[in-house]
Amino acid sequence: AQSVTQLGSHVSVSEGALVLLRCNYSSSVPPYLFWYVQYPNQGLQLLLKYTTGATLVKGINGFEAEFKKSETSFHLTKPSAHMSDAAEYFCAVSEPNFNKFYFGSGTKLNVKP
Amino acid sequence: GAVVSQHPSWVICKSGTSVKIECRSLDFQATTMFWYRQFPKQSLMLMATSNEGSKATYEQGVEKDKFLINHASLTLSTLTVTSAHPEDSSFYICSANQPTGLVFENIQYFGAGTRLSVL
Repeated sequence: AQSVTQLGSHVSVSEGALVLLRCNYSSSVPPYLFWYVQYPNQGLQLLLKYTTGATLVKGINGFEAEFKKSETSFHLTKPSAHMSDAAEYFCAVSEPNFNKFYFGSGTKLNVKP
Repeated sequence: GAVVSQHPSWVICKSGTSVKIECRSLDFQATTMFWYRQFPKQSLMLMATSNEGSKATYEQGVEKDKFLINHASLTLSTLTVTSAHPEDSSFYICSANQPTGLVFENIQYFGAGTRLSVL
């Protein structure tokens, strides 16, 4: 069974500060991991994904995430927050070769000027 | 990237009526589409997997007679909320898998969602 835990339903940072959004997962098999961003009243946009290979994954808008198997984590980071980064972020996991996605409860990022 | 279009974006209906939501993959063929429900301030809950040319697979606890899914073509899946009631009010989001040609690749693209309000 798959599950995803996102610590912190709300995270607030100042513009220019480091962004760190936490995601831990449980999976009975090596998972595929994803981060999605959702703006108000919109669907989800893929930020980045990890399937195989390099554990540090770079995505759009300057975001990156590192798959740490020993910690069962896939935290999302961005060195310098921008006002346009304010949105809700969802971590998701799926089994390889299996279409179902399981989402975390989401983290709303607020960026202060 | 691939585009998934969802229509309508917002619908208000009276209790007891049925509402149809469409999900289209615009620039790729999707043999599999997914329907999610999102409650306010909560995450997405997978409702069902829609398979082209066959019956949908529903998640546990989802009423298949309430939420009818039809995947008539490789680019269109529809969700019909039958005899809608206020408790069905929610944000419904569809997604589609874009085949990449690589074994074990798995990319889902999401529609913009449909906000259903049942009065």
